[in-house]
Amino acid sequence: KQEVTQIPAALSVPEGENLVLNCSFTDSAIYNLQWFRQDPGKGLTSLLLIQSSQREQTSGRLNASLDKSSGRSTLYIAASQPGDSATYLCAVDNAGNNRKLIWGLGTSLAVNP
Amino acid sequence: DAGVTQSPTHLIKTRGQQVTLRCSPKSGHDTVSWYQQALGQGPQFIFQYYEEEERQRGNFPDRFSGHQFPNYSSELNVNALLLGDSALYLCASSQVGQRTEAFFGQGTRLTVV
Repeated sequence: KQEVTQIPAALSVPEGENLVLNCSFTDSAIYNLQWFRQDPGKGLTSLLLIQSSQREQTSGRLNASLDKSSGRSTLYIAASQPGDSATYLCAVDNAGNNRKLIWGLGTSLAVNP
Repeated sequence: DAGVTQSPTHLIKTRGQQVTLRCSPKSGHDTVSWYQQALGQGPQFIFQYYEEEERQRGNFPDRFSGHQFPNYSSELNVNALLLGDSALYLCASSQVGQRTEAFFGQGTRLTVV
């Protein structure tokens, strides 16, 4: 049974810091892994999608890496800003076609001005 | 492109009542998945619809049912509401295929009193 864990559960940093969020999963037979952002009480915004054959994806100040063999993904946020404050969730797709994404509990990030 | 849209945004119901939530997928998407997210938790998969049929189901009772229409929009119905059904209900759309990205709506906040 796939289990997804995110560390740390919460993080508070001063503006401008580079930071790393971690996601680990127990079953390496995944089709892809997605990182999402969720603002309080809101829906999910897709940040990056990494296919199982890929090692990393980049979008602006965000970089996500994937090491399937060790069951790990990291989300790197460069030069953090107060607007980055949100909960970041990772989800893995074991079944293909997004049939059943398995989620971590998220990392709650606060970037302080 | 309006993305994934859900209605209503907020809803208050009484225990024992029935509720219907609606979702319109992103343009070009043909697959709709529903998730329940309790406060402080990651989303839990309810079911997925493709070609107007339920293709995959999570660990939810039969009180949770759904439908997909020919235009790919979808409804989630919950009967005999319980207090524990209070949550954010999220709809995700994607295009059929093994390695596609899921896009989420802003969710419907259901409160059962």
